[in-house]
This record gives sequence, C-alpha cells and structure tokens, in this order.
Amino acid sequence: DAGITQSPRHKVTETGTPVTLRCHQTENHRYMYWYRQDPGHGLRLIHYSYGVKDTDKGEVSDGYSVSRSKTEDFLLTLESATSSQTSVYFCAISDPGGLQETQYFGPGTRLLVL
Amino acid sequence: SQQGEEDPQALSIQEGENATMNCSYKTSINNLQWYRQNSGRGLVHLILIRSNEREKHSGRLRVTLDTSKKSSSLLITASQAADTASYFCATDRGDYKLSFGAGTTVTVRA
Repeated sequence: DAGITQSPRHKVTETGTPVTLRCHQTENHRYMYWYRQDPGHGLRLIHYSYGVKDTDKGEVSDGYSVSRSKTEDFLLTLESATSSQTSVYFCAISDPGGLQETQYFGPGTRLLVL
Repeated sequence: SQQGEEDPQALSIQEGENATMNCSYKTSINNLQWYRQNSGRGLVHLILIRSNEREKHSGRLRVTLDTSKKSSSLLITASQAADTASYFCATDRGDYKLSFGAGTTVTVRA
C-alpha cells in the first residue's frame, strides 16, 4: 500500500456537517480519482483530476466537491453530509501516459453519517 | 450507470478447482481490466486486456475478451485459499476513467 494513503481511515459524523477526506500520493501520478463503494454497486466514480487544479465530475458527483492544489493531494469534500453518503470511499491514482496505466488504490475511508 | 456486469454474483469452489467469472459491458472499450479486493481492503489490479487482444495470461489467471459479444471472462486455475476475494471487471473507454461492475465474490473452501 505504499505510495497512496487516505485520511482519516474511519469517520463518524452527523447529518448536515461538512466532511473532508484526503488522498495523498508519493508516486507523482497525474491522474487521481475518488470512488465510493456500496453493496451491490461496485465502485462508482465521484470526481477525478487530471492535473493540478484540473478536475471533472464522475457519475455520482452530486453533493461532493474536490480540490487539487498540489500533485500529491486530492481532497474530497461533502459539503453537508447526508445519510445516503454513508459509504466506503476509495482514492486511486494512475499515470496513463507513463508507466501506470492501470489504477492503484488506497486503503479506503469508512464514513458513517448519522 | 455501470458499464460492466459480472456473473455470477457469488461462487464457492473447492481448493484446487478452477473458478470462472464473466463480465459483460455495453459500449465499445479501449481496454478491460480485472481487479481483486480482499475483505476490507483496496482493490488490486490483476490484469489488463486491450480491445485488440483476445486472450491474456498472468500466472494462474487467464482472461479472454470477445468484443463482438461485449464480454470477458476471468479464469483462476488451481484455486487457493488466498484467492478468496471479490473480483471486479472495469472498462476503460479511452478516457482514463474506469467503469466497474458490482463484482463476483469467490470463496475457496479448504
């Protein structure tokens, strides 16, 4: 798991509060992704980034925002958490133009919204 | 919406047996990838097959791709207890974004 970390690993929060999850990489990969994983759905893309300050929406982006001010950090923010955002969140990195065409995943963050 | 759909949803086999799982997808792809996820962990890449390839091997893994049927299969030969995990197919349409299926849960019995 070296090269990509997520923090926090576990979080319990209340409905209506903002939450920020952090993904940090040491691989200098250009692309970074945020997914959520729910039973029966596999992984669904929330947002992704293809460079510093370059981000775009995935298939389930409503209620989420992201920022990438440095190559190594990609932040996911739930502006006002809802119970439907209870999930496991995974960050991933890739470097399609370089040596890492496939995606390399972090260990995940378990988020519970009460 | 999800691009890939795995079949079966769950599979239980005896150690030493082969395990086969299938993936179907809806639109044209640049490549198809298979990932493994052990309980509570992140996904680990297993193998990538490009749209112009029909078969690929990696150790005990064999992947096939039939673009005319929009389907792929993953075969794990001589299964081991360590192969117990969930397996996901993911399609790349050439935009570096992956679309995952819901996965196949494989249990290898000793």
